[in-house]
Amino acid sequence: GQQLNQSPQSMFIQEGEDVSMNCTSSSIFNTWLWYKQDPGEGPVLLIALYKAGELTSNGRLTAQFGITRKDSFLNISASIPSDVGIYFCAGRSGGSNYKLTFGKGTLLTVNP
Amino acid sequence: GAGVSQSPSNKVTEKGKDVELRCDPISGHTALYWYRQSLGQGLEFLIYFQGNSAPDKSGLPSDRFSAERTGGSVSTLTIQRTQQEDSAVYLCASSIRWGTNEKLFFGSGTQLSVL
Repeated sequence: GQQLNQSPQSMFIQEGEDVSMNCTSSSIFNTWLWYKQDPGEGPVLLIALYKAGELTSNGRLTAQFGITRKDSFLNISASIPSDVGIYFCAGRSGGSNYKLTFGKGTLLTVNP
Repeated sequence: GAGVSQSPSNKVTEKGKDVELRCDPISGHTALYWYRQSLGQGLEFLIYFQGNSAPDKSGLPSDRFSAERTGGSVSTLTIQRTQQEDSAVYLCASSIRWGTNEKLFFGSGTQLSVL
């Protein structure tokens, strides 16, 4: 089946630093999504990517859909304490495949 | 409501008991999904509904798990004869329709603990 490798598993950074996390897939995806999950809450969609090479920003967040369609990265610039949480990548191969395959998440801790 | 609502938010049960988890999707969303999240793991797909029908039940871990959706709205996930390995957060999500560009909106989940 499809597998997503998300790295790093966890990050501990100082407020104001930039962070980067990425996902790689064993197969091609047509859609890449990045979610953030706060404790006790469900994941919330941050950015959606639909085309290979697409670069999309949402405030301090920037994500890219890799040219090979097998990878994506998420960058957070000038981190703040409320960025703390678990970030998940998710991908879909498209067509009639309605399932999202999720990575195992990156736990981000921001030290004020 | 404004978002996906799940109940209960927490459920503690004894091994062998049956549990029912409820999901109220966003009004007008025709697609509904159940996922399971175990500690330190990603989200595991369980089942998907388009309207009241579930085209794919292959994600359900065992025949102790079942789900139904009525009226194209509320869905119930039932786990019979619960086991300790069933302990996890069960997340429900809905979307306007299924397709390549849909976006899922998640509820806050039900934390299930089987003692």
